[in-house]
Amino acid sequence: QQQVKQSPQSLIVQKGGISIINCAYENTAFDYFPWYQQFPGKGPALLIAIRPDVSEKKEGRFTISFNKSAKQFSLHIMDSQPGDSATYFCAAQTGANNLFFGTGTRLTVIP
Amino acid sequence: NAGVMQNPRHLVRRRGQEARLRCSPMKGHSHVYWYRQLPEEGLKFMVYLQKENIIDESGMPKERFSAEFPKEGPSILRIQQVVRGDSAAYFCASTRTSGMNTGELFFGEGSRLTVL
Repeated sequence: QQQVKQSPQSLIVQKGGISIINCAYENTAFDYFPWYQQFPGKGPALLIAIRPDVSEKKEGRFTISFNKSAKQFSLHIMDSQPGDSATYFCAAQTGANNLFFGTGTRLTVIP
Repeated sequence: NAGVMQNPRHLVRRRGQEARLRCSPMKGHSHVYWYRQLPEEGLKFMVYLQKENIIDESGMPKERFSAEFPKEGPSILRIQQVVRGDSAAYFCASTRTSGMNTGELFFGEGSRLTVL
């Protein structure tokens, strides 16, 4: 059973465009929602994270939007660059328990 | 400050052999997690360990897989009698504290197991 559902599976965006990746969850006990970025051959690295007490968090070109009532959250990458091409994973966690990851979105930013 | 170190980076085994994957957490981190990543899939939690203790092994297959994190030395994920379905990338991650959501989970670069 997939605890966190992620879409799309792959995404192609023009340089300068906005990349949007969506995730949904069912477990209302989740209280921490990070996004991880993974380049080929590398391990995932934390990109940005949010807690459900806020609806949005922005760090540079990366923004998480969080809709608690809909149990959805999304990652927006503004002014997407070829260097942003990577696989992005959303995740969710409750307390000290393990992190549940989405299935990933492979983003390609074309010049 | 070295990050999470995993070795070997690549491992090839024949069916029936044993695979041992090692993970040294970041300095000062005493909590280790192992994840498995299959091609085109996300990361699946396997096991969470602290020094000399297995805290949560709910994601570990019941047979052939075991993990340890001794008082001294790296954490080891051991797969006995490997089968082709074990071919995957195995990632180790570490944190300083027990609650992952109180801090960042740092991942190693993974060990890629290929079973022939």
